[in-house]
Amino acid sequence: ETGVTQTPRHLVMGMTNKKSLKCEQHLGHNAMYWYKQSAKKPLELMFVYSLEERVENNSVPSRFSPECPNSSHLFLHLHTLQPEDSALYLCASSQDREAGDREQYFGPGTRLTVT
Amino acid sequence: DQQVKQNSPSLSVQEGRISILNCDYTNSMFDYFLWYKKYPAEGPTFLISISSIKDKNEDGRFTVFLNKSAKHLSLHIVPSQPGDSAVYFCAASAPGGGADGLTFGKGTHLIIQP
Repeated sequence: ETGVTQTPRHLVMGMTNKKSLKCEQHLGHNAMYWYKQSAKKPLELMFVYSLEERVENNSVPSRFSPECPNSSHLFLHLHTLQPEDSALYLCASSQDREAGDREQYFGPGTRLTVT
Repeated sequence: DQQVKQNSPSLSVQEGRISILNCDYTNSMFDYFLWYKKYPAEGPTFLISISSIKDKNEDGRFTVFLNKSAKHLSLHIVPSQPGDSAVYFCAASAPGGGADGLTFGKGTHLIIQP
């Protein structure tokens, strides 16, 4: 596997369910991100991890809980979601804070539908 | 309040001609700008970037121009090819490096007509 992978690609869950999204990067990067893309809205940054430490939390509701056990893996734990949380969830990675280039590399996303 | 704006939701260009995608920003702290391309059912793919110390960066058929005084950047694709049909996102970053996240525009859907 190369690049950034995400599983599952599609997820349908009820409002009382608990599920997790998984992201893995094979690029040797030190920073990882969760973004949310809702219909007709720009990508919104949710969480940033740098060297496995959370450095940014953009006022995301507590029903979204990230976890970064190591620099290659990132999870987004979901519980008691609302229908308006239905969106495309994208994971990305980048080299590190000090790198001159700030390109982020994205996974294919998980299409989440909350019923 | 959107800090990165792409005011054209869609753009149709004939194959072989030049495609020009525009992006405006409001945050003076942004000093690094990127363009991403996205096909349906895939994540955004990095295309080209530019630092605020430059006003132009070129990579093959893709050129990005930055006008800092106008807080405007544009992506030129020439010649346009059918495979260029996709949604293009403009993104910006403030000092602090990549681990501070990117601010994205809403995207422009580019359609290349044969």
